[in-house]
Amino acid sequence: AQRVTQPEKLLSVFKGAPVELKCNYSYSGSPELFWYVQYSRQRLQLLLRHISRESIKGFTADLNKGETSFHLKKPFAQEEDSAMYYCALSGGQAGTALIFGKGTTLSVSS
Amino acid sequence: DAGVTQSPTHLIKTRGQQVTLRCSPKSGHDTVSWYQQALGQGPQFIFQYYEEEERQRGNFPDRFSGHQFPNYSSELNVNALLLGDSALYLCASSLFGNQPQHFGDGTRLSIL
Repeated sequence: AQRVTQPEKLLSVFKGAPVELKCNYSYSGSPELFWYVQYSRQRLQLLLRHISRESIKGFTADLNKGETSFHLKKPFAQEEDSAMYYCALSGGQAGTALIFGKGTTLSVSS
Repeated sequence: DAGVTQSPTHLIKTRGQQVTLRCSPKSGHDTVSWYQQALGQGPQFIFQYYEEEERQRGNFPDRFSGHQFPNYSSELNVNALLLGDSALYLCASSLFGNQPQHFGDGTRLSIL
């Protein structure tokens, strides 16, 4: 079955520190991977998708098919990065439905 | 463009009742997907509608049903409500067969 695992429920870092939010997936074939973010009192919104290979708000994510991972990284965390982050995949049996992980809360303090 | 809009914002029902949630997609989108988000969990796919037909369905019982109208708006209906149906229900819209999906603010359903 297709599954997305985010092993950390909460990640707390200091401002300026590097951030890595982990995401592992189980899937046979070529999935499409996404990171969605939800800031406080805002709706869920797309942060980035692996096929676009762009950096959004300083975040990047590389799809590693060998390790079936799609970790989200940022070299220097900012307080405004504090939010809930969800990794998701689509494709194959899932069609265009999104399969989400349970999410990781990122807390950046000064 | 207001994006995806959902109504109502909050809803309180009792066990055994029926509920209807509504969603208007983002302008230009023709596909609506519904997700259930329980507390502390990620969104879970319920079903997807395109051209007024259910195109894809997740692992949810038949108590969950939907409809899509010619203007692409959609409804989610849940019958015989259970306590476990308490959750945030999210609507997302997109162009058929494409990503990304754009989400609404959700409807928070509480079952007493």
